[in-house]
Amino acid sequence: DAKTTQPDSMESTEGETVHLPCSHATISGNEYIYWYRQVPLQGPEYVTHGLQQNTTNSMAFLAIASDRKSSTLILPHVSLRDAAVYHCILREGVGYQNFYFGKGTSLTVIP
Amino acid sequence: GGIITQTPKFLIGQEGQKLTLKCQQNFNHDTMYWYRQDSGKGLRLIYYSITENDLQKGDLSEGYDASREKKSSFSLTVTSAQKNEMAVFLCASSIHSGNTLYFGEGSRLIVV
Repeated sequence: DAKTTQPDSMESTEGETVHLPCSHATISGNEYIYWYRQVPLQGPEYVTHGLQQNTTNSMAFLAIASDRKSSTLILPHVSLRDAAVYHCILREGVGYQNFYFGKGTSLTVIP
Repeated sequence: GGIITQTPKFLIGQEGQKLTLKCQQNFNHDTMYWYRQDSGKGLRLIYYSITENDLQKGDLSEGYDASREKKSSFSLTVTSAQKNEMAVFLCASSIHSGNTLYFGEGSRLIVV
């Protein structure tokens, strides 16, 4: 039932900027775009989220297309600690409980 | 900041056995969730609770029971463990429904 499409895997070198794409062509007007990441033997970790405007925090920059049908998580200057599976998820506003996780993108960081 | 603690980290049981996983959060969040993650797959919602003593079924509730007796804790019971249920169970919480979820480290179920 995943409503987002992400590449299965990507690879980067330490210090580079990584662009992780996510397609969500059927997004509805009240759905937020969330990004989480997960490493083995840990639960998912919140990265960022947005509705329409680009957002930025200490972890990442989230670029949202003007039609909201796609988004890109931008990780500046990646380190080995950024190696994880990154999940792009759509979630409706208050009142809706479900949270569909797909397989995500496995990011490998090479020293 | 707060933390979500899941116990046990590994739960080993026999087929047909009733097994319980526990989750505690000190965020003072209203809503708590239980998800199941199978190897190499995404998360599927089992149960959630929007407040103390509330229970709502997710997509995967069959074969499971849940209990929210206190705001800070949410337990999940596998009513009759099966070998095809071996997976990681993740507990999460959020301030209100629809807000950012914070996850625990997971509990791995092993059925022998």
